[in-house]
Amino acid sequence: EVQLVESGGRVIRPGGSLRLSCAASGFTFDNYVMTWVRQVPGKGLEWVSAINWNGGVTGYGDSVKGRFTISRDNAKNSVYLQMDSLRAEDTAFYYCARSRRAHSSGWYNFDHWGQGILVTVSS
Amino acid sequence: QSALTQPASVSGSPGQSITISCTGTDNDIGGYIYVSWYQQHPGKAPKLMIYDIFNRPSGVSDRFSGSKSGSTASLTISGLQAEDEADYYCSAYTSVDTLIFGGGTRLTVL
Repeated sequence: EVQLVESGGRVIRPGGSLRLSCAASGFTFDNYVMTWVRQVPGKGLEWVSAINWNGGVTGYGDSVKGRFTISRDNAKNSVYLQMDSLRAEDTAFYYCARSRRAHSSGWYNFDHWGQGILVTVSS
Repeated sequence: QSALTQPASVSGSPGQSITISCTGTDNDIGGYIYVSWYQQHPGKAPKLMIYDIFNRPSGVSDRFSGSKSGSTASLTISGLQAEDEADYYCSAYTSVDTLIFGGGTRLTVL
């Protein structure tokens, strides 16, 4: 069974840094593109970032580019999101998700999602 | 890049059909096949319902179907059931190598 479990969310002050982790199991991790998507409570989904199978190619949404960094450790079956210069508007649930297709050439669609982790940026 | 445009809400009675539209541009929906639809129940993670415009993942009911015309994609749910009541989001790959979502549509089954 595919499982994705996010961790690392907490209350953090504006300007601070936080690293989210997503532990994957139940599939061959290094065959898949992984992504982070966030959702402000009560609002819509926003794509944050994605990473290819070996970490060599990454992508970011405009609102986080230059502040967030995605990475992965295939030996640990984990993907990470380093969030720097955090702002109040970064407050959201953060989901990690797996690409639908193995060996995908890009971040197109995602068929398994974690339960989400809340990040609150507040003074 | 602006979000894709979806109606805020749609409704229908059990057994009826509804369609949710998702409008983008030539740089996203109009330019690629990578249009997807997600269903999200309150307090739950999104669930992939349609990928690559019209394909259904294994386990998704054939009451759900997708289509695209130009820069507008559509999700149709036939034979509405109470369990279909949820938020629905479209997504599309873009020409600048990003993914964008629609603002979401709340489906109410009357």
